[in-house]
Amino acid sequence: QVQLVESGGGLVKPGGSLRLSCAASGFTFSDYYFTWIRQAPGKGLEWISYISSNENNTYYADSVQGRFTISRDNAKNSLYLQMNSLRAEDTAVYYCASHGGNYFPFDYWGQGTLVSVSS
Amino acid sequence: DIVMTQSPDSLAVSLGERATINCRSSQSVLYTSNNKNYLAWYQQKPGQPPKLLIYWASTRESGVPDRFSGSGSGTDFTLTISSLQAEDVAVYYCQQYYYTPPYTFGQGTKLEIK
Repeated sequence: QVQLVESGGGLVKPGGSLRLSCAASGFTFSDYYFTWIRQAPGKGLEWISYISSNENNTYYADSVQGRFTISRDNAKNSLYLQMNSLRAEDTAVYYCASHGGNYFPFDYWGQGTLVSVSS
Repeated sequence: DIVMTQSPDSLAVSLGERATINCRSSQSVLYTSNNKNYLAWYQQKPGQPPKLLIYWASTRESGVPDRFSGSGSGTDFTLTISSLQAEDVAVYYCQQYYYTPPYTFGQGTKLEIK
C-alpha cells in the first residue's frame, strides 16, 4: 500500500537549519509531484512547496522563499526539504503529500514530523 | 492569491443528523474547457494527517462512505454528511488547486457531536 514517512524533525534554535526527508513506497514515486504542507500548533494547513515529477519545476510559498529548498531523489524514492534560517514561526508539523500533477489534489499524506524552533 | 473561506468555523450536529459545511473561493475555480471545479475537501481527525475525501468538487475518493457528498460550482461549494456518525468528528478543510501555486486551503471547520 502507499506509504509516506517523514523524518528529520526536531528542536532547533532560531537561525538554524534542518533537513526533512519523506520516504515513499507502494507506488511509482517518479510519476508523482510532491508537496510539503505545514500545520502550526492548533492552526490550519499551509502549503509551502512543491516539486514536479521530473524535478524541473519547484515552487515556494512567499513565507519560505529563499530559505527552504525542496528536492527529490527518484532513485531513492525520497523527497527532501532543506530548511535554513529557521524562525519561531516555522514551528509546525510538516507533512509530505503526493499529487498527480500541478492541477491535482493531494491524494496521499505522510504522518508528519514536528519542527520546533526555539531558543 | 485565492482566498478560501469556510463557514461555519465550528459546527455541532446530533448523531444521525445532516451536517453541512460551506466553502467560498475569492475567484471561480471552474475551468470551463473541461467543466471541472478544482476544489477538494479533506478530513483531519485529531492526531492524524489530513485525508482526501472529495475532489473535482463532487467526486468521492475511493473508500469514502457515500454519506459524504460534495456540491457546488464556480465560487460556492458545500460538503454534506447526510447522517453523522461518531467517527466523522474531525476538522474539514476545502482547498483549491486551480490557481496554483500557491495551493490554498480554507481555515477549517471543526465538526463535533451535539
